[in-house]
Amino acid sequence: GENVEQHPSTLSVQEGDSAVIKCTYSDSASNYFPWYKQELGKRPQLIIDIRSNVGEKKDQRIAVTLNKTAKHFSLHITETQPEDSAVYFCAPRGNFGNEKLTFGTGTRLTIIP
Amino acid sequence: GAVVSQHPSWVICKSGTSVKIECRSLDFQATTMFWYRQFPKQSLMLMATSNEGSKATYEQGVEKDKFLINHASLTLSTLTVTSAHPEDSSFYICSASPSTSGGREFFGPGTRLTVL
Repeated sequence: GENVEQHPSTLSVQEGDSAVIKCTYSDSASNYFPWYKQELGKRPQLIIDIRSNVGEKKDQRIAVTLNKTAKHFSLHITETQPEDSAVYFCAPRGNFGNEKLTFGTGTRLTIIP
Repeated sequence: GAVVSQHPSWVICKSGTSVKIECRSLDFQATTMFWYRQFPKQSLMLMATSNEGSKATYEQGVEKDKFLINHASLTLSTLTVTSAHPEDSSFYICSASPSTSGGREFFGPGTRLTVL
């Protein structure tokens, strides 16, 4: 099965600075790479995703970069705000459709005002 | 975006009783739904894949006789925790992916189960 690791496990960033979280996976067949944000007691929410035919995707302050050769993808948050504080999970998957997501261990991001 | 609901949002039960959790796709049909369990400060762990009209597929280490899954329609999957014990207390979350979403997974709001 897929082995997924996230680093760091915790991250504290001054408000306004950037945050980067890295996800390493093992299955070379993975071709869908989402990032989820989860606030305490709530459901995971998709914040950005990328497919294997693209190296980078950006949506306002959030971006994801993919290195398929090295089997890792990263979440980048710029101009961080207090509401960015949450736990972030990567969850790579093989073929989209009925293939299951494998969640990473999570990164607790704290934005310091 | 697609909407997935769960009911109940929280439940407290006595040890030895059974609890049923419903997961519904409100605005799309889902031939497949996924059930996850999340313990405090941990990641989501997939328990099983619920398949409409056929048996669920369980992940290694998940007891299929304890966690009964029924996916009788294209919009409803149920998870029944049988003979619940305190160690089953957890946050249970379901998810589904509309065929038009390009593989994007949408999650229900979760059910907080507390077994006394």
